[in-house]
Amino acid sequence: EAQVTQNPRYLITVTGKKLTVTCSQNMNHEYMSWYRQDPGLGLRQIYYSMNVEVTDKGDVPEGYKVSRKEKRNFPLILESPSPNQTSLYFCASSLRGSQETQYFGPGTRLLVL
Amino acid sequence: AQSVTQLGSHVSVSEGALVLLRCNYSSSVPPYLFWYVQYPNQGLQLLLKYTTGATLVKGINGFEAEFKKSETSFHLTKPSAHMSDAAEYFCAVSRANGGGFKTIFGAGTRLFVKA
Repeated sequence: EAQVTQNPRYLITVTGKKLTVTCSQNMNHEYMSWYRQDPGLGLRQIYYSMNVEVTDKGDVPEGYKVSRKEKRNFPLILESPSPNQTSLYFCASSLRGSQETQYFGPGTRLLVL
Repeated sequence: AQSVTQLGSHVSVSEGALVLLRCNYSSSVPPYLFWYVQYPNQGLQLLLKYTTGATLVKGINGFEAEFKKSETSFHLTKPSAHMSDAAEYFCAVSRANGGGFKTIFGAGTRLFVKA
């Protein structure tokens, strides 16, 4: 089954404790992206990647890191989480091109205390 | 700069009534336009999209949207609401940006369907 998977689905952590949210897709997509969803703000792009070893900042990259060492994986790293990073995070993937449909993972709900 | 405005954070309709969810965008170049739906505790999935060609686009579950360049709008409609349509709907625009592309989402409209 074609899908985007994220782990963990739910995470509670404390301020300053490094964490990684994994994202994997099995559709051989070049493009992958991370979004955060907050009430009243919709989805805002954190980082995206056009291919292996090619990443770029989205609209809200502060406090996040990403890497793309393999085509299928695109982990999101929070080196020192803060309470304002409490949010619902989505990973998405698509073929290359702005006209392409993005396929979303199920989301990771993060609470930073 | 691109932006997407969805009028109304919440819309309530009766079952069987017309659904109209509004989306206006601003973009310096013609964008690609999308509507995504999010059911509770799930990720987003595509309803429909406009890339080129016919301006009236038909999607899944009986939804359709019309791209009106002069009004910079891409409103989503469905003639008759069903209880299963209750969800949050997001309008999005996407266009080339340097070597890649960027997607901007609206704030979302939550649709309630009354029995």
